[in-house]
Amino acid sequence: LAKTTQPISMDSYEGQEVNITCSHNNIATNDYITWYQQFPSQGPRFIIQGYKTKVTNEVASLFIPADRKSSTLSLPRVSLSDTAVYYCLVAPLAGNTGKLIFGQGTTLQVKP
Amino acid sequence: EAQVTQNPRYLITVTGKKLTVTCSQNMNHEYMSWYRQDPGLGLRQIYYSMNVEVTDKGDVPEGYKVSRKEKRNFPLILESPSPNQTSLYFCASNGRGPHKDTQYFGPGTRLTVL
Repeated sequence: LAKTTQPISMDSYEGQEVNITCSHNNIATNDYITWYQQFPSQGPRFIIQGYKTKVTNEVASLFIPADRKSSTLSLPRVSLSDTAVYYCLVAPLAGNTGKLIFGQGTTLQVKP
Repeated sequence: EAQVTQNPRYLITVTGKKLTVTCSQNMNHEYMSWYRQDPGLGLRQIYYSMNVEVTDKGDVPEGYKVSRKEKRNFPLILESPSPNQTSLYFCASNGRGPHKDTQYFGPGTRLTVL
């Protein structure tokens, strides 16, 4: 499984765009990249998933360069309610193993 | 409503007293998994199950047991809890394999072992 590295913490202000980068140098050909968001005392919830280039949904965008050794989660115009821990996860969509490595995550603090 | 439930939500126990944390999902999911979360360490996988009667170790399985006798339930068993197992525990399930789309997480169980 690919090991991921994220910044431990980030600060931002309301209304700004926030970009959180995740490094995954040993990503495999069949690996996908998924980001989760976790609020205090709650389970993580899915934000976005992608394989390459750019993916966008109503919550965020995910940018993946051609070499796929990193990915960037982009949160447009954050609000105080976006304060949470964000996890990057790299794993194949299919296969015979269910092992998943979440890592430490990035704690995002949005200030007024 | 589609959900993953865990019980109990909070538990304080003493060293060596066997306990079970239950996890149940109502989505007919094949894949289920247990995680523990500790400050500064993020989420770490304890055990997972690809289907009924199929379980395997995650990253931190020592001191834990699981069973998957039926699809909806995946209990986590601590035969002889120790203080280093004090943690926040999450159960999760996914109907399309471990990594396809989203895992659905339970509300968490906060365990304190004295």
